[in-house]
Amino acid sequence: ETGVTQSPTHLIKTRGQQVTLRCSSQSGHNTVSWYQQALGQGPQFIFQYYREEENGRGNFPPRFSGLQFPNYSSELNVNALELDDSALYLCASSLAGPAGNTIYFGEGSWLTVV
Amino acid sequence: GESVGLHLPTLSVQEGDNSIINCAYSNSASDYFIWYKQESGKGPQFIIDIRSNMDKRQGQRVTVLLNKTVKHLSLQIAATQPGDSAVYFCAENKSSARQLTFGSGTQLTVLP
Repeated sequence: ETGVTQSPTHLIKTRGQQVTLRCSSQSGHNTVSWYQQALGQGPQFIFQYYREEENGRGNFPPRFSGLQFPNYSSELNVNALELDDSALYLCASSLAGPAGNTIYFGEGSWLTVV
Repeated sequence: GESVGLHLPTLSVQEGDNSIINCAYSNSASDYFIWYKQESGKGPQFIIDIRSNMDKRQGQRVTVLLNKTVKHLSLQIAATQPGDSAVYFCAENKSSARQLTFGSGTQLTVLP
């Protein structure tokens, strides 16, 4: 077990709706990243949060937003859902520092947009 | 653009044999590489990592080799077991950025 927990594990939404996914990082980890993994593909970086601020963003539109809380937990919000948003959303936590700090993933939240 | 990719999408090995999964990367600025194992319906599981100042690193039944000259990374699994069946991803990280860039993955199937 990685100590990274995500909720919900599965959910179905309708196109145009909004969704919030949640993540609790491994104890002591102050950095949380979110990834989108489409079926049959590798995870794609969405953004990272460090000390409650966005600390890097991938090629995703502004309707993908996030939050990090003082306890380092995080939320991913997606507005105006599109069918292509159907994917596994992964949260990863790590300890900020020089490259080489191990990055651990949760089991993910499966989102289906219909 | 720069990316991390895998040579083979699928690999089948006999139980007990050694497995070698290869990965090519094109970003010479990458300084940290990680191998993840992902079983069906689960999140990526950390296997082993290596920094760019190393050529080889060994773990329990796994070895990662890094050849910076040809920008190649490999994962060797000794005495492959049925539980090793999964998709394996290599990922790269640059110290100036916190994101991981993943390849498309290799499906490893262990045959009885």
